[in-house]
Amino acid sequence: KNQVEQSPQSLIILEGKNCTLQCNYTVSPFSNLRWYKQDTGRGPVSLTIMTFSENTKSNGRYTATLDADTKQSSLHITASQLSDSASYICVVSDTNGGGNNRKLIWGLGTSLAVNP
Amino acid sequence: DTGVSQDPRHKITKRGQNVTFRCDPISEHNRLYWYRQTLGQGPEFLTYFQNEAQLEKSRLLSDRFSAERPKGSFSTLEIQRTEQGDSAMYLCASSLEDRGAYFGPGTRLTVT
Repeated sequence: KNQVEQSPQSLIILEGKNCTLQCNYTVSPFSNLRWYKQDTGRGPVSLTIMTFSENTKSNGRYTATLDADTKQSSLHITASQLSDSASYICVVSDTNGGGNNRKLIWGLGTSLAVNP
Repeated sequence: DTGVSQDPRHKITKRGQNVTFRCDPISEHNRLYWYRQTLGQGPEFLTYFQNEAQLEKSRLLSDRFSAERPKGSFSTLEIQRTEQGDSAMYLCASSLEDRGAYFGPGTRLTVT
């Protein structure tokens, strides 16, 4: 069964600290992996998207890594800010149907709280 | 603002009423998607358009739901005879071909 599992479920860190969120997936075949940030009551905002051939991708203070062999990804947040408090969701697209956005398998997210 | 926009942001309606939501995608994106998200869950795919053609509808989209994208630009999602189970966040997203989807802020529907 295609699944995306994230850890930890929730995380509390102090402002300015770094953190790393984990994502393991069993989706096969694999098209791409995305990380989204979602604030409560808002739509998801894309942070990174990686295909199987990409090992790392950065977007400002966010750096995502992908190991397609072990089917693991991580999202590293550097120098956290209060505005980073949100849910971070790992989403994997399979190649059935061309891997387009109708075939997205969503993790349950890591709820991050950044405290002053 | 060149992102995906949705209107309204919040809608409270009584059971049995009809509601219509609008989505304006990123202008150069030819694909438009509708999803439904309930609390604590990931978005569930409802339907998608390539230009003006509706290419797929999820079985979640009952006969009370209809979506249109008449000119291949904005889209509307209508729910007829709303039920309390329809209460959710309705998300619209757009993409250029098969590339990553960009989501709008969502319309939160509450059916009382």
